[in-house]
Amino acid sequence: DAKTTQPPSMDCAEGRAANLPCNHSTISGNEYVYWYRQIHSQGPQYIIHGLKNNETNEMASLIITEDRKSSTLILPHATLRDTAVYYCIVLLRNNDMRFGAGTRLTVKP
Amino acid sequence: DGGITQSPKYLFRKEGQNVTLSCEQNLNHDAMYWYRQDPGQGLRLIYYSQIVNDFQKGDIAEGYSVSREKKESFPLTVTSAQKNPTAFYLCASRAFGEYNSPLHFGNGTRLTVT
Repeated sequence: DAKTTQPPSMDCAEGRAANLPCNHSTISGNEYVYWYRQIHSQGPQYIIHGLKNNETNEMASLIITEDRKSSTLILPHATLRDTAVYYCIVLLRNNDMRFGAGTRLTVKP
Repeated sequence: DGGITQSPKYLFRKEGQNVTLSCEQNLNHDAMYWYRQDPGQGLRLIYYSQIVNDFQKGDIAEGYSVSREKKESFPLTVTSAQKNPTAFYLCASRAFGEYNSPLHFGNGTRLTVT
């Protein structure tokens, strides 16, 4: 089963890009990578997902390496409201979705 | 508006009592999930269900039970066998068969057992 590894914490200056890495070296060919974030005591919020190609939406960009063993979530212009815990998850074929500990991103003024 | 409703937001129980947490969705999603979150920790999967009358154990199913009698409802019972039931419980759902469909989460129930 694909598991993910993320750094426990990161800091970013307000207005700069935040680049959050995730390793998923055991991912299978048709398993998607999802990113969520959680602000204190709320349900996680969906950000973006992808399979092979890079993806972009109004919130973020997702860069997936060619071998699919890792990915990076990019918040292009981080604001103080982006301070949250960010989770990288792989959706398994049997609909199993398991969250790791995530990365606590702190955006500083 | 479509979404997931968890109730109540806060729940208090005495030790030794079973308690049932409600989760209802009107998104017509097939798959539903229960996660537990402890302070400062990530989410851990308790149970998930892909279709009515079927469910699978997650990483920490011991001391919990679920039922899926209706597509829109997936209640979680925290039994007296659960050693440390105080936690934040999150319910989620997603469309099954749409392999790139994201999870939608409720706002959680915070359970305190004393």
